[in-house]
Amino acid sequence: GQNIDQPTEMTATEGAIVQINCTYQTSGFNGLFWYQQHAGEAPTFLSYNVLDGLEEKGRFSSFLSRSKGYSYLLLKELQMKDSASYLCAVRDSNYQLIWGAGTKLIIKP
Amino acid sequence: DSGVTQTPKHLITATGQRVTLRCSPRSGDLSVYWYQQSLDQGLQFLIQYYNGEERAKGNILERFSAQQFPDLHSELNLSSLELGDSALYFCASSVDSESGGSEQFFGPGTRLTVL
Repeated sequence: GQNIDQPTEMTATEGAIVQINCTYQTSGFNGLFWYQQHAGEAPTFLSYNVLDGLEEKGRFSSFLSRSKGYSYLLLKELQMKDSASYLCAVRDSNYQLIWGAGTKLIIKP
Repeated sequence: DSGVTQTPKHLITATGQRVTLRCSPRSGDLSVYWYQQSLDQGLQFLIQYYNGEERAKGNILERFSAQQFPDLHSELNLSSLELGDSALYFCASSVDSESGGSEQFFGPGTRLTVL
């Protein structure tokens, strides 16, 4: 079966750095996406990785290791507005997106 | 603003009823996806349409159906509604092609409450 694992919830302090991990087991791999979702709102696209390595986009970076079936999202200089759920999704061999359950990130002052 | 529109924003109805949710994709996007998200739950993929044809099916109940029209807008029909169908229903669109997919852009969602 296809499976994506993320921690259910994480807590971090304003101004700090947090790393949200995602491991996956899918039938094939054609890219990994990270989305941010504030409560009651639509998910918004954050990043896309298809090759191994780090993609940096401002305060957010995403890393991928295809051989390990592993990705992480790194958030730096945390702000209160970063409190949200972070969804990991993998595109499989049929180009379908398989979604993780999301990690709820709580930022404390 | 993602460019994906959904109507209505809120819908309150009773058990046993039937409702239709509407989605207009971003200009140029051929694929439409429907998702269900219950309170504090993850996204559940329901169904995908590409250029008018059903492309993939997820955990969609038999009471639910969808279609994509020639102008590429899509409708999700939910019938014989149950209390457990209360959820946020998201539509997403992407450019896609015959051979692959791209990132999805989500609409603001329709919040369905079944009483």
